[in-house]
Amino acid sequence: EIVMTQSPLSLAVTPGEPASISCRSSQSLLHSNGYNYLDWFLQKPGQSPQLLLYLRSNRASGVSDRFTGSGSGTVFTLKISRVEAEDVGVYYCMQSLQTPRTFGQGTKVEIK
Amino acid sequence: EEQLVESGGVVVQPGGSLRLSCAASGFSFDDYTMHWVRQVPEKGLEWVSLISGDGTSSYYADSVKGRFTISRDNSKNSLYLQMNSLRVEDTALYFCAKDSHQANMDVWGQGTTVTV
Repeated sequence: EIVMTQSPLSLAVTPGEPASISCRSSQSLLHSNGYNYLDWFLQKPGQSPQLLLYLRSNRASGVSDRFTGSGSGTVFTLKISRVEAEDVGVYYCMQSLQTPRTFGQGTKVEIK
Repeated sequence: EEQLVESGGVVVQPGGSLRLSCAASGFSFDDYTMHWVRQVPEKGLEWVSLISGDGTSSYYADSVKGRFTISRDNSKNSLYLQMNSLRVEDTALYFCAKDSHQANMDVWGQGTTVTV
């Protein structure tokens, strides 16, 4: 099983400032087809999770271009260029390279 | 609009059984792999199981293997999770989610609560 590790586990950000979340995997998520099988989800308070980014850096439908994914292999980063109040919630990375799918522990983002 | 609606969550005794359902609408159901994901209150997400669009392939987390069975009825646009030999640690909010052709879990339901 691939173990996913996120850091930090919590983050307080001033509106308009950038934020960054790291996700590391215990095995490379780089497939021979050149894609990194790493997805990012956001679970807003009281809501179901929603897909933000898939295959490392592709934004899901309707996702703001303030969200950017980068990295390769075993180290990945989610960056929010300018945090807004609507971005609060818990962010999860997930590997989709193999079963079982595995999630990181989650990073709680709050507004200062 | 693509939509998933879970149902069937109840309070059940340890050792008991339960079947969860997920009704899909707004997309061609049999084209897509479907998942069950669970979340213990105030905790993180745990993937439970997936099933291919035609229902011929399925996979399980070790924590539920041999106790849970995922299935689908494409004629009814419905996904199911048969849960047997339930344990206290199976208590969680259970979500169903669909894949797209490119992305994983691009649509989620609102969840149904199982309490053991």
